[in-house]
Amino acid sequence: DQQVKQNSPSLSVQEGRISILNCDYTNSMFDYFLWYKKYPAEGPTFLISISSIKDKNEDGRFTVFLNKSAKHLSLHIVPSQPGDSAVYFCAPSGAFGNEKLTFGTGTRLTIIP
Amino acid sequence: NAGVTQTPKFRILKIGQSMTLQCTQDMNHNYMYWYRQDPGMGLKLIYYSVGAGITDKGEVPNGYNVSRSTTEDFPLRLELAAPSQTSVYFCASSYAQREQYFGPGTRLTVT
Repeated sequence: DQQVKQNSPSLSVQEGRISILNCDYTNSMFDYFLWYKKYPAEGPTFLISISSIKDKNEDGRFTVFLNKSAKHLSLHIVPSQPGDSAVYFCAPSGAFGNEKLTFGTGTRLTIIP
Repeated sequence: NAGVTQTPKFRILKIGQSMTLQCTQDMNHNYMYWYRQDPGMGLKLIYYSVGAGITDKGEVPNGYNVSRSTTEDFPLRLELAAPSQTSVYFCASSYAQREQYFGPGTRLTVT
């Protein structure tokens, strides 16, 4: 029972262009959505999040969009830089009292110089 | 601030052996977690703790045990190691449950 799906295992994008990473979920109780970034041989690091009461959250080059009716969120990175090459995990969580994270399978992003 | 530290970084175990994966955090976080990540998969929660003396099972607890005697430490014990426990193990901590800080991981191979 995979509650969180990242259907693209890998993505290659030219440096300077936009990277779009997608995430679909099935659990309607998720109300807070996080993105984590992971470099090889390191632990994941928190990147950006969005609450279910919003449909967009922006932080510098990173923007996350949430479509609750479609149970879909996406992470946009623009412009993409070589240091963005990493694995990105979508990690939704439930409401207060059930806030444990559920991780997607990840998308490996490669930025081509 | 060292953040979350894990030891060892790598370990090879024979089937049936036991070991303890160590995790320490210096951020005074109440919440601590153990995850495993298998190749091509996301992180699966093994056990978590909401404070010293309190632990609870996650999604995949079988074959593991934990204890939380202090705020800082959250060791994960493997008894009778099996090949299915070959994985990368991550410890994390957080003030609130959502924004978790992860350690660098322990790569465990059971042969």
